[in-house]
Amino acid sequence: AQSVAQPEDQVNVAEGNPLTVKCTYSVSGNPYLFWYVQYPNRGLQFLLKYITGDNLVKGSYGFEAEFNKSQTSFHLKKPSALVSDSALYFCAVRPISSGSARQLTFGSGTQLTVLP
Amino acid sequence: DTAVSQTPKYLVTQMGNDKSIKCEQNLGHDTMYWYKQDSKKFLKIMFSYNNKELIINETVPNRFSPKSPDKAHLNLHINSLELGDSAVYFCASSRRQGASSGANVLTFGAGSRLTVL
Repeated sequence: AQSVAQPEDQVNVAEGNPLTVKCTYSVSGNPYLFWYVQYPNRGLQFLLKYITGDNLVKGSYGFEAEFNKSQTSFHLKKPSALVSDSALYFCAVRPISSGSARQLTFGSGTQLTVLP
Repeated sequence: DTAVSQTPKYLVTQMGNDKSIKCEQNLGHDTMYWYKQDSKKFLKIMFSYNNKELIINETVPNRFSPKSPDKAHLNLHINSLELGDSAVYFCASSRRQGASSGANVLTFGAGSRLTVL
């Protein structure tokens, strides 16, 4: 069965500083990896995804994520945080291989707070 | 136009009651989902339908019954509500899941907050 771990419930960073939200995964075979963001009282919104190819993926709002196969990680990064980036971030995985385990599995979420 | 719309947005009811949450998407997607987000923000899939056919049915009590009258709608009916059913329920949709479409992105509704008293 696939799983996703987001080891930090909360990440605080000062505005203008770089931010990292960590994600590690476990899946049979190769993964599709995703990051979604949830603002208060809203549904999840897609940020970026890794399918194949270049390990550095660029997404919406200046976010990027780096796929590291050896460390089974897909950390979300941004060079300069904004107060408006404050939200709940979810990492998700789905195995590429066909089979019954094709649903998207989400991590437990990381609350990012950017301090002015 | 809202891509994935859910009604109602808030629902407060007594234990033992039966309630429904409706979901509609206008994206032309043919796969729809229900997710439950608990008080700790943990997100868990409940059901998935592809072209009105149930394809994912996680371990969910029989009191929960999804219904998909067409591929643009997926409703969730809950019988005999319990305190533990209090949560935010999210509907989502995506393009068909096939051998090469596992990378398709989910579009979520804004959620329906259910409070059982």
